[in-house]
Amino acid sequence: EIVLTQSPGTLSLSPGERATLSCRASQSVSSSYLAWYQQKPGQAPRLLIYGASNRATGIPDRFSGSGSGTDFSLTISRLEPEDFAVYYCQQYGSSPRTFGQGTKVEIK
Amino acid sequence: QVQLQESGPGLVKPSETLSLTCTVSGGSISGNYWSWIRQSPGKGLEWIGYIHYSGSTNYNPSLKSRVTISVATSKNQFSLKLSSVTAADTAVYYCARDFNGWTHFDYWGQGTLVTVSS
Repeated sequence: EIVLTQSPGTLSLSPGERATLSCRASQSVSSSYLAWYQQKPGQAPRLLIYGASNRATGIPDRFSGSGSGTDFSLTISRLEPEDFAVYYCQQYGSSPRTFGQGTKVEIK
Repeated sequence: QVQLQESGPGLVKPSETLSLTCTVSGGSISGNYWSWIRQSPGKGLEWIGYIHYSGSTNYNPSLKSRVTISVATSKNQFSLKLSSVTAADTAVYYCARDFNGWTHFDYWGQGTLVTVSS
């Protein structure tokens, strides 16, 4: 199965700053079949991005995804207070579908 | 707006069977795929398996020998059974709408904590 490694483990930033999160796959993810989720404490993950770069319904345009092959990234252009959370990547290019271990974006 | 709600025992004894049900509201279970996903501190997020409203299933090979997912379309529900549980199966279990059975998950339940302990 494909192992997804996210970095950094924790990102300490201030509101208004730019956040760049990385997700690296152990083998190429076909057709950029990668999604990103946001999870806040006590809540379920929420879909942000699918197909590596397509925003899900209702997701603000400050969230963007990019990448292909084995290297993907999620960028939050200007952090809002509600963006401080844990972010997970998930691949669906190969079965079984797998998730990364998460990156926590915390307030500096 | 599709909503999902998990229900079932929060405590299961080792070697017994974990049973959970997901009730779908705000939309029909028909025409879609539905998955179970769990999250534990040790293993993170792990896809367990899906069921199509027609009854076809697909399971994660790591759990396949112990998992059964079923659907009750008349009740707009689907269910998970995980047999021979151990402490390693302690996790928050989520049900989710599986966009097409092989991609992403666009609607999630709030999750339910299941603890395996005697």
